[in-house]
Amino acid sequence: AQKITQTQPGMFVQEKEAVTLDCTYDTSDQSYGLFWYKQPSSGEMIFLIYQGSYDEQNATEGRYSLNFQKARKSANLVISASQLGDSAMYFCAMRERNSGNTPLVFGKGTRLSVIA
Amino acid sequence: DGGITQSPKYLFRKEGQNVTLSCEQNLNHDAMYWYRQDPGQGLRLIYYSQIVNDFQKGDIAEGYSVSREKKESFPLTVTSAQKNPTAFYLCASTPNPARDRENQPQHFGDGTRLSIL
Repeated sequence: AQKITQTQPGMFVQEKEAVTLDCTYDTSDQSYGLFWYKQPSSGEMIFLIYQGSYDEQNATEGRYSLNFQKARKSANLVISASQLGDSAMYFCAMRERNSGNTPLVFGKGTRLSVIA
Repeated sequence: DGGITQSPKYLFRKEGQNVTLSCEQNLNHDAMYWYRQDPGQGLRLIYYSQIVNDFQKGDIAEGYSVSREKKESFPLTVTSAQKNPTAFYLCASTPNPARDRENQPQHFGDGTRLSIL
């Protein structure tokens, strides 16, 4: 079974609007971490935001916020005030047994296109 | 500047040939990882190493080999047994959690694109 599911292969958003990218995960561990990465067309992976399973507050980093619903096992990324430079692939990832060195498991990604 | 350097940026392999992708980091990180990315797909784990002279297979290790003789270096060899090697390969690293926060993200290199001639 897939551990990370991103159901939106592609999304479009108007510049300056907000957009939500969906991510659901599957784990039986109580301790885990959730990450979002951005991958522009050049290929590098850029870390955006992190949410720990025990964090009571939703994570925020500038224009990025994470809508974490633990009971539903979802960790959706919200990008506010979209910019043309936000056009990229976005990947949700999980680390089980949140120990730092455990490899991340990635979803298949969502391609976001921002329209002027 | 500290970071992860992958080379070459582009690599071509002939049939029956082994090729080695380089990954070097100067971040003093203990753990290193290799992922494969196919077009329109997510990243799949090939191998990872949590300490020098030790490494573990990931989900798609067949046809690949690695070594970890130095903390800074984690080269990946794509062997002739890998019948479909055309992909984008990404190397990553993380610090030692005993010394650093457990929520550390993986840091990535810029990747190597491998194609068959």
